[in-house]
Amino acid sequence: GESVGLHLPTLSVQEGDNSIINCAYSNSASDYFIWYKQESGKGPQFIIDIRSNMDKRQGQRVTVLLNKTVKHLSLQIAATQPGDSAVYFCAENIIAGGFKTIFGAGTRLFVKA
Amino acid sequence: NAGVMQNPRHLVRRRGQEARLRCSPMKGHSHVYWYRQLPEEGLKFMVYLQKENIIDESGMPKERFSAEFPKEGPSILRIQQVVRGDSAAYFCASSPQGTEGYTFGSGTRLTVV
Repeated sequence: GESVGLHLPTLSVQEGDNSIINCAYSNSASDYFIWYKQESGKGPQFIIDIRSNMDKRQGQRVTVLLNKTVKHLSLQIAATQPGDSAVYFCAENIIAGGFKTIFGAGTRLFVKA
Repeated sequence: NAGVMQNPRHLVRRRGQEARLRCSPMKGHSHVYWYRQLPEEGLKFMVYLQKENIIDESGMPKERFSAEFPKEGPSILRIQQVVRGDSAAYFCASSPQGTEGYTFGSGTRLTVV
């Protein structure tokens, strides 16, 4: 759902390891979900998306898993690299007089070389 | 094809002044969204516009804030009589049809002194 005023949780991983970033979404009627990456001083960048009729989708080094039963999304990054260090946001599309995208609170990924 | 262009990148205003933030969507995109981001927080939806129409302004503060997307020219987010609490990064995104994940600009960082 909407982000709240908390410091971002941080995930620290060793270079080459796999990373898993988790997210809970709020609206059971949402049918489209997106993961974004935001580097310092930049706007969010699209990584991967998934529709509600799927439970898994793979991209290059990234996989998104969707569990509609518990309203949970995860982003898996294989062989994490220093360039993956950023804040990652999950987002859900909400249909309300058109559509809009609502962002989760975000997770900061820190990759140790 | 240039991406979403926002200007200025940085804007400093004294309390009580007006701030005007501009967003030029990607070519061919007629849907524009404005988001606000406080440090260490996620993006909070403000307003969704199509050409000459406000579709959803549920995230806009009731006073001092307004947005437009005229037939010609960029979308404008206007903040009147700015206060210190308005200091944030303001991001614009655009999409071609409003039904898929969209492209973000690099944001305008507003500082109110």
